[in-house]
Amino acid sequence: DADVTQTPRNRITKTGKRIMLECSQTKGHDRMYWYRQDPGLGLRLIYYSFDVKDINKGEISDGYSVSRQAQAKFSLSLESAIPNQTALYFCATSDSASSGDEQFFGPGTRLTVL
Amino acid sequence: KQEVTQIPAALSVPEGENLVLNCSFTDSAIYNLQWFRQDPGKGLTSLLLIQSSQREQTSGRLNASLDKSSGRSTLYIAASQPGDSATYLCAVKGGGNKLTFGTGTQLKVEL
Repeated sequence: DADVTQTPRNRITKTGKRIMLECSQTKGHDRMYWYRQDPGLGLRLIYYSFDVKDINKGEISDGYSVSRQAQAKFSLSLESAIPNQTALYFCATSDSASSGDEQFFGPGTRLTVL
Repeated sequence: KQEVTQIPAALSVPEGENLVLNCSFTDSAIYNLQWFRQDPGKGLTSLLLIQSSQREQTSGRLNASLDKSSGRSTLYIAASQPGDSATYLCAVKGGGNKLTFGTGTQLKVEL
């Protein structure tokens, strides 16, 4: 099945460490997104990419960076992790050619920064 | 700035009951609205997408309606089952092709 996968699924790290979260998809979609979910705040957009050469900041990009290595791969980096970056992180994809540009989500990465 | 509100935050119903989940948004200039389901510790599963020009969409026991002018959407679940227990999220797509999410309604369907 065409899918969106995220690695790792769980990660515990310490303050100041560099962390990379990876997302890959076999859906053939051109658009990819990174969100974080915090209790009581809903999902918030960190970065998004509409094709390989396109990177855009979302609502809460400070402290994060991204890389779109290929159409199927989009990674999120925390250069120097801090405790308030503890959250559930989701990658999503969509197809700009589809009606509605429906987004499809990966299973999430639970990140804990001590 | 678009704000999306879902009421109630939590809901518990007996099996077999029909139920309605509500979603409201402050800016009616949207392209579409999407309903998702999230199981504990899991990702989001897209349930229904309603374009701004549509009034409703149906999939199995689910029916979603959209009243763009009043900034409201409802998700109707018929004949609820314990397997429907999950958190339901709505998200609206506005300018910049970005989704704005509500904080969800946590549904529990009891035997």
